[in-house]
Amino acid sequence: EAGVAQSPRYKIIEKRQSVAFWCNPISGHATLYWYQQILGQGPKLLIQFQNNGVVDDSQLPKDRFSAERLKGVDSTLKIQPAKLEDSAVYLCASSLGGTSNEQFFGPGTRLTVL
Amino acid sequence: AQSVSQHNHHVILSEAASLELGCNYSYGGTVNLFWYVQYPGQHLQLLLKYFSGDPLVKGIKGFEAEFIKSKFSFNLRKPSVQWSDTAEYFCAVSPSGNTGKLIFGQGTTLQVKP
Repeated sequence: EAGVAQSPRYKIIEKRQSVAFWCNPISGHATLYWYQQILGQGPKLLIQFQNNGVVDDSQLPKDRFSAERLKGVDSTLKIQPAKLEDSAVYLCASSLGGTSNEQFFGPGTRLTVL
Repeated sequence: AQSVSQHNHHVILSEAASLELGCNYSYGGTVNLFWYVQYPGQHLQLLLKYFSGDPLVKGIKGFEAEFIKSKFSFNLRKPSVQWSDTAEYFCAVSPSGNTGKLIFGQGTTLQVKP
């Protein structure tokens, strides 16, 4: 069974530029999560999708971050414009759905904002 | 606000030593509890989880954790660590009946010396 795929694996940009990350969840997983992991901290949820609908985006900085999951499968997370403090690893995870289902994580995208 | 606290940021042990990593959470209701592990160069993966029933849960690779409700704790243990256990360990909480999102602690880096 293929795992959660993410690309790119690494990205370096300058502040005020825009960047996009892509995630393809495990086939059949209805729920998709984006987490931000700043160095030295645990992952923090940015947004959660159930199929193509947003379940929780309470911690997404909506003035600069956006995410979509148009067909209920893969998803993109965008930052525009980027700030220095956005330097982090962006993790995508997926699960079958429901509160008792295990989340499977992708390898992450390491973003450096200069 | 809900939070998870891991007591140790960096632990160094010799092989065959016993391990206990502390985890406390702040949430008044029922929770699901998890330990995730990230080996060097790999993505986050589930070590063990607790939803209900026996508060002593066993996970992969000889790890176990005990849920003590009165102490809001979910400590991770292993009687004898190996060099291959070198990794970063994250405790996470998901309030029951919630969307399934995970609230992570800041992580503990375990270094096992051969």
